[in-house]
Amino acid sequence: GAGVSQSPSNKVTEKGKDVELRCDPISGHTALYWYRQRLGQGLEFLIYFQGNSAPDKSGLPSDRFSAERTGESVSTLTIQRTQQEDSAVYLCASSTFEGLARNEQFFGPGTRLTVL
Amino acid sequence: TQLLEQSPQFLSIQEGENLTVYCNSSSVFSSLQWYRQEPGEGPVLLVTVVTGGEVKKLKRLTFQFGDARKDSSLHITAAQPGDTGLYLCAVGGNSNYQLIWGAGTKLIIKP
Repeated sequence: GAGVSQSPSNKVTEKGKDVELRCDPISGHTALYWYRQRLGQGLEFLIYFQGNSAPDKSGLPSDRFSAERTGESVSTLTIQRTQQEDSAVYLCASSTFEGLARNEQFFGPGTRLTVL
Repeated sequence: TQLLEQSPQFLSIQEGENLTVYCNSSSVFSSLQWYRQEPGEGPVLLVTVVTGGEVKKLKRLTFQFGDARKDSSLHITAAQPGDTGLYLCAVGGNSNYQLIWGAGTKLIIKP
């Protein structure tokens, strides 16, 4: 079946511009995660959605970052007034059953964001 | 200080050799996962270990969870170019749904 998809795959933008990244999770997966991965580093948790519950936004690095999810489907991550330090790969993952940490997370291929 | 320390950070070896990479911490965890990430792709789960001392095998890959559940190792026998990738370990965070990730070991297997 279809896996997690993300778009665009690559995004180059100028400092100060806003960008919107999209994630389509696996159908039926109630949990959705956004991560940031800087070059040569591990994954940095950004935000978690579970069904209709309030999202856990504790990982968002600043108020320039926001994310939305429509029900149990598509999610968008928006970065306003981008800065060069926002350059990274942004990964989305989905999971079943309340996204318990020990449950497998299925990742999309990521969006590589470059801020000039 | 990283909660999870992975070593080595980088390893480049010839096809056919054996290798071990490590994931260490001073904290105790209820479970630990290993993922492999290939260039341009997201991580893919290899294994989850939950019991201290547990050993799991996945073809030529052997995973071990330390007795005290603070560390883990991944051993690859007769490495092949297809094993090339970034190997990441991850453990549960403060919530029951959040993972904390190590920085990974970048492995290159030369033909």
